Amino acid sequence: DAGVIQSPRHEVTEMGQEVTLRCKPISGHNSLFWYRQTMMRGLELLIYFNNNVPIDDSGMPEDRFSAKMPNASFSTLKIQPSEPRDSAVYFCASSPGQGAEAFFGQGTRLTVV
Amino acid sequence: KNEVEQSPQNLTAQEGEFITINCSYSVGISALHWLQQHPGGGIVSLFMLSSGKKKHGRLIATINIQEKHSSLHITASHPRDSAVYICAVAPKAAGNKLTFGGGTRVLVKP
Repeated sequence: DAGVIQSPRHEVTEMGQEVTLRCKPISGHNSLFWYRQTMMRGLELLIYFNNNVPIDDSGMPEDRFSAKMPNASFSTLKIQPSEPRDSAVYFCASSPGQGAEAFFGQGTRLTVV
Repeated sequence: KNEVEQSPQNLTAQEGEFITINCSYSVGISALHWLQQHPGGGIVSLFMLSSGKKKHGRLIATINIQEKHSSLHITASHPRDSAVYICAVAPKAAGNKLTFGGGTRVLVKP
């Protein structure tokens, strides 16, 4: 398996634009996580899904952020409208189940100017 | 106070030295994870443990559930071990949700 695949690897966008980050989890994994990493706050969980259903979105910073998982092999994290303070590395991870080891994607480095 | 505290924040070692990174947490957990993040940014899971000790190559992870403490040891350190090491816990009441420490930046000099 190729591991967790995220796209794009880098994104530079202007303030106010919509940004969509994509993630393909490892086949057979039924948990998917979106994390954000910044220098100030380190790694933070934004939202996670079990069996395509959002379980906990308490980490989503505000209504400008939304995440979907339409099927077991694809998830998106959308920011609309984007702001400079959203600049960070966004990681997607998947796991075969509750309490199991998580496998991380390479991350998407987002810069909002 | 953060739920997960790591020490030290930064560590510099000479090649071959034994390295220890510590992680303390304040909540009941179902598991503790050690992650490695290289300068390129990718994150790799090193260990997941809920009791005792695990070993993989030159890396050893231990956990004391009663003390709410874990250590990651690197024996015979090498420059390629230079990375940020992150401790993360899965609180018992939180399902799959991980809470992360601030990371320990390790630099191993040749």
